[in-house]
Amino acid sequence: EPEVTQTPSHQVTQMGQEVILRCVPISNHLYFYWYRQILGQKVEFLVSFYNNEISEKSEIFDDQFSVERPDGSNFTLKIRSTKLEDSAMYFCASSGLVSTDTQYFGPGTRLTVL
Amino acid sequence: AQKVTQAQTEISVVEKEDVTLDCVYETRDTTYYLFWYKQPPSGELVFLIRRNSFDEQNEISGRYSWNFQKSTSSFNFTITASQVVDSAVYFCALSASNSGGSNYKLTFGKGTLLTVNP
Repeated sequence: EPEVTQTPSHQVTQMGQEVILRCVPISNHLYFYWYRQILGQKVEFLVSFYNNEISEKSEIFDDQFSVERPDGSNFTLKIRSTKLEDSAMYFCASSGLVSTDTQYFGPGTRLTVL
Repeated sequence: AQKVTQAQTEISVVEKEDVTLDCVYETRDTTYYLFWYKQPPSGELVFLIRRNSFDEQNEISGRYSWNFQKSTSSFNFTITASQVVDSAVYFCALSASNSGGSNYKLTFGKGTLLTVNP
């Protein structure tokens, strides 16, 4: 069964460093998302991406964040200068041919900022 | 704006008990979609079920059943004869178009931690 994959599973970085989180969505999906879950809290929407552009972003997704689909398979989230409060689990999700399709999530990347 | 409320923060049951997880949602959209996701201790988010706002038919799938009541804006989830492997955080989520837009981001509740004890 096709699944969303994410790498790395755990990333530790120093405050102020840049990190890139990688995702490979399900191959025939067209809609891509990043969500964040701070430890013990609910899952929060960050950004959605369709047709090579951002379709919506939350107020969390400020200028320090960017997304990219550099080739036909990868979908990346970059944080330019990490802060302590960026420590969280980051989930990538993808959905199919229409925007209302079910979103399937990857296993997540746990980001720890020291 | 969308909102999902899961009033139960934690539930603890003994194996083989039935348990119902509550979810109440708010949206102004007439077309919307409701979901339940399971997050086991390993951390991934596993899709369980989806319901469209125009389909109020309730569903049973094995030990799982769902009760969608539009009149009370609720989408409750019941596990029958619970098992230790059901222990997880369960999230209810809502997807709507933000009044005519094309983006269907998910709005999650805070989750209910279910612990099934042997």
